[in-house]
Amino acid sequence: EIVLTQSPGTLSLSPGEKATLSCRSSQGVNSGYTAWYQQKPGQAPRLVIYSASSRPPGIPARFTGSGAGTDFTLTISRLEPEDFAVYYCQHYGGSPPGYAFGQGTKLDIK
Amino acid sequence: QVHLQESGPGLVKPSQTLSLTCTVSGVSMRSGDYYWTWIRQPQGKGLEWIGYISYSGATHYNTSLVSRLLMTIDKSRNQFSLKLHSVTAADTAVYYCARDPAPMTIAGVVTAYGWGVWGQGTTVTVSS
Repeated sequence: EIVLTQSPGTLSLSPGEKATLSCRSSQGVNSGYTAWYQQKPGQAPRLVIYSASSRPPGIPARFTGSGAGTDFTLTISRLEPEDFAVYYCQHYGGSPPGYAFGQGTKLDIK
Repeated sequence: QVHLQESGPGLVKPSQTLSLTCTVSGVSMRSGDYYWTWIRQPQGKGLEWIGYISYSGATHYNTSLVSRLLMTIDKSRNQFSLKLHSVTAADTAVYYCARDPAPMTIAGVVTAYGWGVWGQGTTVTVSS
């Protein structure tokens, strides 16, 4: 079973600053199966990065995903007010295979 | 535009069966290669993948839930459903359905496209 650990638990930043969110896997994973989701209160999650580094249509270029092996990062280059939310990393894999989520990083307005 | 909508009872008694349906509109479930997925989220907590069903009816369940879980697909109604048996208070959560595009492998490189389409979620409370 894959365990994904996100850090920090909470990140307090101001609009315009750069956010760096980390996701570490308990075992090496195929980056093609790594995704990041944004969730705001009362809403369903929204896909912001798939396949570790690809942006879906409509996701701004300030969202960048990177990483391989056991360490993955979501970077938001210049925070906009609408970016403050909880972010989850996700991966498919392990034995037996299945989807796992990190516990989330809350991005707070400072 | 694809739209997913969950429906079902908001209150289920302990030991009974939780039944939810996800209605897909804007596209036929037969078009494209997708896994139709259920996820849940207890209040104030993180996301948990429940499982998925393909258009052919093949299923893949979370091993922690497999003994209590049944997913089905109704092709004539463009719907897929979830049944979770013997529920307890630990099954209280917001339940979401989502569409998961089947991954592609080209030249040995896998691309999984993520869950870009979600329902709005439905709250299910397990209580007597």
